[in-house]
Amino acid sequence: NAGVTQTPKFQVLKTGQSMTLQCAQDMNHNSMYWYRQDPGMGLRLIYYSASEGTTDKGEVPNGYNVSRLNKREFSLRLESAAPSQTSVYFCASSVNRGGETQYFGPGTRLLVL
Amino acid sequence: GQQVMQIPQYQHVQEGEDFTTYCNSSTTLSNIQWYKQRPGGHPVFLIQLVKSGEVKKQKRLTFQFGEAKKNSSLHITATQTTDVGTYFCAGRNSGNTPLVFGKGTRLSVIA
Repeated sequence: NAGVTQTPKFQVLKTGQSMTLQCAQDMNHNSMYWYRQDPGMGLRLIYYSASEGTTDKGEVPNGYNVSRLNKREFSLRLESAAPSQTSVYFCASSVNRGGETQYFGPGTRLLVL
Repeated sequence: GQQVMQIPQYQHVQEGEDFTTYCNSSTTLSNIQWYKQRPGGHPVFLIQLVKSGEVKKQKRLTFQFGEAKKNSSLHITATQTTDVGTYFCAGRNSGNTPLVFGKGTRLSVIA
């Protein structure tokens, strides 16, 4: 069981470039989440998917899009990266949305120049 | 919207001293969870509290949920260097709203 995996681990982008962060889980969880973590700001929810086929905005969705490709995979896309999107991005999953334990991936460190 | 506030932001302690972090919500919570993130790592689930006034212990860690279900605390007795990291609380309202994380308390332990 790999748990939650994320690719890439580290990425450098120039302003205006696009990229997709990949996330997959092998725990048969229904719900998946994308967070960003900035110094002193904790974990802020970008988007989540309560179940396959649904996605909802979180606290900070602007500048991002998501796709729940299937039950295992949930991707986060930056269409036109900005320096303000420099952050560490964590994907997480849980059995359902209803307050169960969230399992986090190792994170992607993104630097936008 | 729901807010979860956590204090202090940073705490430096000598090894062997106790440590406490506090979490307060602007609304009544259905449950509260605590996570630990080691430096350079990812958040890892520690515990969940559901009942009003609930107290749970894990070795040197004691977790409490307030009577009004609006606040919680994590207390570590006799800290060790292995306790270093950032501790997050996360709570949710009743219903299907997602978890809201506090900003975390970063603990450093001086040997």
